[in-house]
Amino acid sequence: RKEVEQDPGPFNVPEGATVAFNCTYSNSASQSFFWYRQDCRKEPKLLMSVYSSGNEDGRFTAQLNRASQYISLLIRDSKLSDSATYLCAVTTDSWGKFQFGAGTQVVVTP
Amino acid sequence: DTAVSQTPKYLVTQMGNDKSIKCEQNLGHDTMYWYKQDSKKFLKIMFSYNNKELIINETVPNRFSPKSPDKAHLNLHINSLELGDSAVYFCASSRRPKSYTFGSGTRLTVV
Repeated sequence: RKEVEQDPGPFNVPEGATVAFNCTYSNSASQSFFWYRQDCRKEPKLLMSVYSSGNEDGRFTAQLNRASQYISLLIRDSKLSDSATYLCAVTTDSWGKFQFGAGTQVVVTP
Repeated sequence: DTAVSQTPKYLVTQMGNDKSIKCEQNLGHDTMYWYKQDSKKFLKIMFSYNNKELIINETVPNRFSPKSPDKAHLNLHINSLELGDSAVYFCASSRRPKSYTFGSGTRLTVV
């Protein structure tokens, strides 16, 4: 079993709709959680950190469920520019070694 | 002004050759990483250096050798390239245990 798993998608979302997807992790000692966005043929860029109490950044909401060992990302009022692959990243140690999921592809359609 | 810069951006080379990829960061971060992203888009850590000291060395063939001359630079040398080495290699830096800043990647194609 992979340490970090994501539904690869694609999630086809009409513009203006809401989409949500999860990322499960296997190591209960995981400490820090992040969502990255990766556009085609580009590097991953930090979208947001995920805090224990959940957090919001504009149209994006991240949640952490430690009991069930998953994090989630919700995108409200989807824009065409939200089309990308969303990678979750989990770290269990202070050395900063991240385990990445393989990404969830989101395609926002007009 | 680029925070993490890698060179070259593209590298096409024949099997058996030796090649190097360079990475530099101007963020003042203390830790740098090499990740490999294969055709399935899976990002896998290879190495990490903290202040020039190797702290993470995953199961990577010893044909891959990282070198960190100072904390702002982390290079990757690959000997005897194989077809399976074709991938995108990303350099990243962080101030542990904060999130990473990635370079734009080096697309390596071995023919």
